[in-house]
Amino acid sequence: AQKITQTQPGMFVQEKEAVTLDCTYDTSDPSYGLFWYKQPSSGEMIFLIYQGSYDQQNATEGRYSLNFQKARKSANLVISASQLGDSAMYFCAMSPTNTGNQFYFGTGTSLTVIP
Amino acid sequence: GAVVSQHPSWVICKSGTSVKIECRSLDFQATTMFWYRQFPKQSLMLMATSNEGSKATYEQGVEKDKFLINHASLTLSTLTVTSAHPEDSSFYICSAKAHGRQIGYGYTFGSGTRLTVV
Repeated sequence: AQKITQTQPGMFVQEKEAVTLDCTYDTSDPSYGLFWYKQPSSGEMIFLIYQGSYDQQNATEGRYSLNFQKARKSANLVISASQLGDSAMYFCAMSPTNTGNQFYFGTGTSLTVIP
Repeated sequence: GAVVSQHPSWVICKSGTSVKIECRSLDFQATTMFWYRQFPKQSLMLMATSNEGSKATYEQGVEKDKFLINHASLTLSTLTVTSAHPEDSSFYICSAKAHGRQIGYGYTFGSGTRLTVV
């Protein structure tokens, strides 16, 4: 069974500070992809970053970086230099390679950036 | 690139009527599209996987006769909520992966449809 856990229902961060959003996962598949999506109040899902299970280096995309610790099955998202526009829901997701591209989402973390 | 257009963005309908939601891949071919449902302040739950030219695969607990999915072409999948009831009110969102596109680019999501049944 596949499971994604996000233990932080809500987070606050001061503008320009860094914040870490936690994500742990559970899968028996040896090959999988880990994703983070941002969902603003308008509803669309915005792809932020991807980490493959066999990638040796942590993924980075601009202000976003993924702290991938495979042995701990964690894939935390780090947002540096937070901006007011970063306020949104953030979802961690996993897609095992052998499940026909199916995604499994966590319950999400609501991030609020404080000016 | 890899844009998915979803329409309508919101719809209000009377109980007992049917509502059709369209999901189009604008600049790529999508052999597979996924339909999700999201209740307020909750996560996305996969409803079904839509495959071009074949029957959709529904997740356990999703009524096939209520949520009709058609994927008639490589660029269009539709979800029809039949005989809608207030409990069907939710946010519906589709996603697709461009054929041949590296998985690292993620799956593109539509902008979602907020359905309210009154």
